[in-house]
Amino acid sequence: QVQLQESGPGLVKPSGTLSLTCGVSGGSISSNNWWTWVRQPPGKGLEWIGEILHSGTTNYHPSLKSRVTISVDKSKNQFSLKLTSVTAADTAVYYCARGRHTAVAGSASIWLQPWGQGTLVSVSS
Amino acid sequence: QSVLTQPPSVSAAPGQKVTISCSGTSTNIGKNYVSWYQLLPGTAPQLLIYDNDRRPSGIPDRFSGSKSGTSATLGITGLQTGDEAAYYCGAWDFSLSAVVFGGGTKVTVL
Repeated sequence: QVQLQESGPGLVKPSGTLSLTCGVSGGSISSNNWWTWVRQPPGKGLEWIGEILHSGTTNYHPSLKSRVTISVDKSKNQFSLKLTSVTAADTAVYYCARGRHTAVAGSASIWLQPWGQGTLVSVSS
Repeated sequence: QSVLTQPPSVSAAPGQKVTISCSGTSTNIGKNYVSWYQLLPGTAPQLLIYDNDRRPSGIPDRFSGSKSGTSATLGITGLQTGDEAAYYCGAWDFSLSAVVFGGGTKVTVL
């Protein structure tokens, strides 16, 4: 079964770039899935960051679009997140997940499973 | 401020039932399918319900989902101490072209 694991620095300086990688095991990143990043700031709810297909097609949350890049590395079976110009508001647990998209009669069905365990990234000097 | 609205907390005694509401608009829940997730501290989030009312393999039938108009509901019957967790609803939003989540509901077993 597919498993995902986040990795990357746990501390980033303000105005710096947050970089995380999600390793995919038990399945191919070239499968027809949307590889997704979600975050949860301390004491707050989930926030969808964006997603990528193995082809490189991406979707980003409009509030983060100017600062986010999600990329895929098929040779390493992993995908990555880069978030630039970070502030304390970007402090959060960052999760990667596999997304499934379907459409039925014009209605979108999107669900995320499995997820990684999450990694806490703090933005502080 | 989350796009979808959930109650901050619900509680019930062991063996009882709780329901969690998730309210949205015509651009998200009103048009698209809803999924539900369970977040336990220190563990990977778990998909409980997808396509409004379908359970993935391995999810017990104590968990159920429904949708009507621009609202969805998660039900948990036979409440157990292990169900103490935060629960989130999610759906695609056509206006934002993004997945939106509720603010989360903390379930407490009394």
